[in-house]
Amino acid sequence: GENVEQHPSTLSVQEGDSAVIKCTYSDSASNYFPWYKQELGKGPQLIIDIRSNVGEKKDQRIAVTLNKTAKHFSLHITETQPEDSAVYFCAATSNSGYALNFGKGTSLLVTP
Amino acid sequence: EAGVAQSPRYKIIEKRQSVAFWCNPISGHATLYWYQQILGQGPKLLIQFQNNGVVDDSQLPKDRFSAERLKGVDSTLKIQPAKLEDSAVYLCASSLAGTDTQYFGPGTRLTVL
Repeated sequence: GENVEQHPSTLSVQEGDSAVIKCTYSDSASNYFPWYKQELGKGPQLIIDIRSNVGEKKDQRIAVTLNKTAKHFSLHITETQPEDSAVYFCAATSNSGYALNFGKGTSLLVTP
Repeated sequence: EAGVAQSPRYKIIEKRQSVAFWCNPISGHATLYWYQQILGQGPKLLIQFQNNGVVDDSQLPKDRFSAERLKGVDSTLKIQPAKLEDSAVYLCASSLAGTDTQYFGPGTRLTVL
């Protein structure tokens, strides 16, 4: 089955700096790669996603890049703010429909 | 638009007891998923429904877990009997039929003592 690796597990940045989280996947048939933000006591919230026919996607301060050849994708957050502090999960579709395989998460801390 | 609703939000039980969780997906979403999220890990799929039919339950521990979606809308997930290792957050997600974008509910945090 699909295996998604995510790094780093924890990331601390100062407000205003950029944060980058990287993921790799194993199944070359995967074609959908969402990123979720999870705050304490809440469910995962979709923040951005990318499909295999696109190399990069941007939404305000958040961008995602995809390298299908290398089977890795990354989340970039610019001008970080304290409210960006949360756990971020990458995911990829499995080979059994649309169910997602998740990475282990990155705990991002943005300090003022 | 209302999001995915789940209840209860928290549940504490003793091992070998039974527990049930309820999920109401976003209106019009034919596909419903149950995920298990153990502390410090990403969600792991337990079961996927398309309307009231099961699409994928390969990772559901069928000796103790069961799920149903009788009318193709609400769903319940049951654990009987519970084990200590079942302590986790149980997340429900839904999506439109034939699409891959999933929206998650707030989850039910289960503690098995």
